[in-house]
Amino acid sequence: GENVEQHPSTLSVQEGDSAVIKCTYSDSASNYFPWYKQELGKRPQLIIDIRSNVGEKKDQRIAVTLNKTAKHFSLHITETQPEDSAVYFCLPGYSSASKIIFGSGTRLSIRP
Amino acid sequence: GAGVSQSPSNKVTEKGKDVELRCDPISGHTALYWYRQSLGQGLEFLIYFQGNSAPDKSGLPSDRFSAERTGGSVSTLTIQRTQQEDSAVYLCASSSGQISTDTQYFGPGTRLTVL
Repeated sequence: GENVEQHPSTLSVQEGDSAVIKCTYSDSASNYFPWYKQELGKRPQLIIDIRSNVGEKKDQRIAVTLNKTAKHFSLHITETQPEDSAVYFCLPGYSSASKIIFGSGTRLSIRP
Repeated sequence: GAGVSQSPSNKVTEKGKDVELRCDPISGHTALYWYRQSLGQGLEFLIYFQGNSAPDKSGLPSDRFSAERTGGSVSTLTIQRTQQEDSAVYLCASSSGQISTDTQYFGPGTRLTVL
């Protein structure tokens, strides 16, 4: 079946530093790669996504990079701020419902 | 416009009782998803609908769980004979079209507590 791995599970960085979260998948048919952010007590929300025809996408301090050959994509947050503290989930694109598998999540904490 | 809504926001029930959870997707969204999130845990996929059809029910944890969607809009998730391990937040999401390439918009969730 589909295998999705997300690392690290927890990440603590100094405010202003960068954070990187990686998601590895196994379904070679995947062609859409979003990242969701879930703040404490709130619903998950899309923060950035990328499609398989590009290798990188950037939106202000947030970027996503994709390596389809190696089957992984990463979330990059630069100049981290306190409001970046949350749990982040990846969701590799799925070719069927049986493969809708979110990554296990990364709890990001920003130290003042 | 209105986002995804869910009701009730909180539900406390006794072990063995049945519960119904409701989801109102964004108007016009054809795909609808149900997830379960236990405290401090990840998002466990339960079932999805394309229109009124649920092509794959393999994500449902047991035969006590069922879901339906009518008129291509509202969906209900029913849990029969609830158990304490069913306690979790149940999240609904909807997307506009193809399940594999569209953003999912989540509702606020229903927090279910089984005593």
